[in-house]
Amino acid sequence: GENVEQHPSTLSVQEGDSAVIKCTYSDSASNYFPWYKQELGKGPQLIIDIRSNVGEKKDQRIAVTLNKTAKHFSLHITETQPEDSAVYFCAASKGADRGSTLGRLYFGRGTQLTVWP
Amino acid sequence: DAGVIQSPRHEVTEMGQEVTLRCKPISGHDYLFWYRQTMMRGLELLIYFNNNVPIDDSGMPEDRFSAKMPNASFSTLKIQPSEPRDSAVYFCASSPIGQRDTQYFGPGTRLTVL
Repeated sequence: GENVEQHPSTLSVQEGDSAVIKCTYSDSASNYFPWYKQELGKGPQLIIDIRSNVGEKKDQRIAVTLNKTAKHFSLHITETQPEDSAVYFCAASKGADRGSTLGRLYFGRGTQLTVWP
Repeated sequence: DAGVIQSPRHEVTEMGQEVTLRCKPISGHDYLFWYRQTMMRGLELLIYFNNNVPIDDSGMPEDRFSAKMPNASFSTLKIQPSEPRDSAVYFCASSPIGQRDTQYFGPGTRLTVL
């Protein structure tokens, strides 16, 4: 199956700085790449996603980039705030039209982001 | 919308006991997923359903684990007998019709097996 690797495992930044989290995947057939944010004691929440026909997507302070040739994608958070502190997960999927693995997400191990005020 | 609802939020039990975790997906969603999260293994997909039918249970660790979805608004994950290594946070997630990759997670059930 798919193998998703995520780096770094921990990241500390000062409030206002940018944070970048990187993921690589192994299956070139993967075509959907969501990012989830998990706060302490809660379930993962989808914050942004990108599909393989798009190279970059932005939503306010959050952006995701995708390089299909290199099989890696990244999450960029600008102007970080203390409330951005959480564990962030990347994931990859072959999507809805790819046979028996329909909808199956493969997750990275997570990045603990701490934003210091 | 109330989101995905899971119960109980915390469960402490003794080894050998049966444990049942419950999930109510978001109304109208046709996919339901069960995940397990541990420090050692991260987030693992255990099983998922489409229209109440199990599609892929290859992630279920062993025969002690079973999952059912008797109707579109309810699913259970059962462990019998439970073992200390089953201690983890179990998440249920659901996906809407037409956006099956977009999964919405519940708050999870923290299971501790003594």
